[in-house]
Order: sequence, then structure tokens, then C-alpha cells
Amino acid sequence: QKEVEQDPGPLSVPEGAIVSLNCTYSNSAFQYFMWYRQYSRKGPELLMYTYSSGNKEDGRFTAQVDKSSKYISLFIRDSQPSDSATYLCAMGPQGGSEKLVFGKGTKLTVNP
Amino acid sequence: DTGVSQNPRHKITKRGQNVTFRCDPISEHNRLYWYRQTLGQGPEFLTYFQNEAQLEKSRLLSDRFSAERPKGSFSTLEIQRTEQGDSAMYLCASSPQTSTNEKLFFGSGTQLSVL
Repeated sequence: QKEVEQDPGPLSVPEGAIVSLNCTYSNSAFQYFMWYRQYSRKGPELLMYTYSSGNKEDGRFTAQVDKSSKYISLFIRDSQPSDSATYLCAMGPQGGSEKLVFGKGTKLTVNP
Repeated sequence: DTGVSQNPRHKITKRGQNVTFRCDPISEHNRLYWYRQTLGQGPEFLTYFQNEAQLEKSRLLSDRFSAERPKGSFSTLEIQRTEQGDSAMYLCASSPQTSTNEKLFFGSGTQLSVL
């Protein structure tokens, strides 16, 4: 079983839709959870991070963590064409390592 | 603050050649990371520097790979005797001392193609 599982999609939605992106993980030692956005031919850009179970909201984005189920989600409300990108979940740390473990990424297209 | 800068953006080389990439982190960020990303995959950790000290290396970093950060500012990643399997995007990231590694600022990467 991979440490982090993420459905690669692709996911295509109409403008204004609510988007739900998800990852599962197997390592209960992970303490913090991130979502990165990556546009084509660019490096990942940090969107949100959270340390605890529950919800964290930032504008149109909500990150949700359920440590008991080892499941994290990112919700995007009122999706825009500019949200079209690949969304990567990431988590860490592991036993003092600086390594972040990333999912494969979900490619999202928001159609005008 | 101009962000993390990586050069070159693209590199095409023949198998067996050596290549070197450069990363300039955000000023005063003392933590620097190298990751590798292949098509359809998330980034994979390669190595980590705090200032000039290389404190962690992944098992992915074979002996053909070497990274340096001589003065605690820019960093270089060298691949010797390149193989076709080395073709990937090499990403550099930095973060400030006050942060743990969840707040990484990535550069746009160097895309390596080994023919």
C-alpha cells in the first residue's frame, strides 16, 4: 500500500461548481497536511496546510482532515477557470525526516 | 522577494553526460530542498540542506547524484553519467528558519531530458 493515495482524475467541472479533491494515507505518524496547486510547467504552490483534524477555511478553499479515517479533502467553492491545475496533497513529517510525501496529484479542469 | 529561481529551465543531454542545475532560494531562507517529479507523479524528496549542511539524503539519491550548498545560499545538483531514467523535473524549494517543512516555496523547476 502506498503511503499516500490520490485519484489522478482527470476531473472536469463547469464554472461555479463545488469541487471535492481527496487523499487517503496509511502512516498514522503524519502530523500536518498540505494542499499544493501546480500549474502546467510550474512548481507547486502551497494553498493550505493544517495540523489537526477538522476544517480550515481560506476564501473559496476548505481543507478537511479526518485523522481517524486517514482521509483528507480539499473543497473549492464557486470554481473558476483559473482554478484549472493539478492539485497535490502532501503530508509529513516522518520520524524526524524533512521529507514530505506527495500524492500523484489530481488534474482539474474548470470549463467556462 | 523574487521567489525561488532555478536554472536552466530546460536541459537536453545525451546519456552518459554530466549535468548541473542551480537553485537560488528566497533570500534569508536557510532551509533548502531538492525534489524530483516525473510525469503523472507527485514530487519525490531527494535531499535537504540547513544552511550549508546537507542533513538528509533520500535513498533515491544514488551515488551519481551530488548536491552542494557551499555558502548556505545557492545550491547545485549534479548528475553524473546521466541515464534515461533520470529524465524528470528537478524542483528546488526553500523555507525560512521559523517554519517547519510544511511551508515550502518551490521554484519552477529544471526539466531534464536524457536522450
